[in-house]
Amino acid sequence: DTGVSQNPRHKITKRGQNVTFRCDPISEHNRLYWYRQTLGQGPEFLTYFQNEAQLEKSRLLSDRFSAERPKGSFSTLEIQRTEQGDSAMYLCASSFNRGLGYTFGSGTRLTVV
Amino acid sequence: AQSVSQHNHHVILSEAASLELGCNYSYGGTVNLFWYVQYPGQHLQLLLKYFSGDPLVKGIKGFEAEFIKSKFSFNLRKPSVQWSDTAEYFCAVDTGNQFYFGTGTSLTVIP
Repeated sequence: DTGVSQNPRHKITKRGQNVTFRCDPISEHNRLYWYRQTLGQGPEFLTYFQNEAQLEKSRLLSDRFSAERPKGSFSTLEIQRTEQGDSAMYLCASSFNRGLGYTFGSGTRLTVV
Repeated sequence: AQSVSQHNHHVILSEAASLELGCNYSYGGTVNLFWYVQYPGQHLQLLLKYFSGDPLVKGIKGFEAEFIKSKFSFNLRKPSVQWSDTAEYFCAVDTGNQFYFGTGTSLTVIP
């Protein structure tokens, strides 16, 4: 499979726990994006990387959220001290430079109970 | 602030009816425009995109969209919908710094 891969597909966690998601982009794509999507809404931009550099972060990304892309390949998104409001689908997308359209992964659905 | 507006939240059509979904954006600079589709239980898939040139772009599955710069619009059209087109449709705008999505339009096609 040469698409964008996200793991896990589903995560149920108790409030206050930390969770980490992984995204493996298409190998030749240098840009990687994280989005959050809640029911009835479009995806909301969280952050993006060009290679290993995190170039932009949304105001939605509170200090409990951190993303890394240490070698410019896969990326991780960590949420610390999860809250019920963090329940959402977390989407990863990758592209080769701007404007070519993004390829999305299937997402990680987080449920905080 | 930049934004993308999709005016139709939920559209219900019978098979063979024509479809037009509205999309307007607010951004004064150069943009690239996209329509994505999300079938039930599946991930977002690119339908079509506009970068430059002919403002009428054709995508997969018989969809097309027209970029009207003066109206800041990028409406999606299909002459004859099928039951399999039932999905959520998202308009998106790439400003170069961020990629903004609209809130989506849910399309239900009745056989």
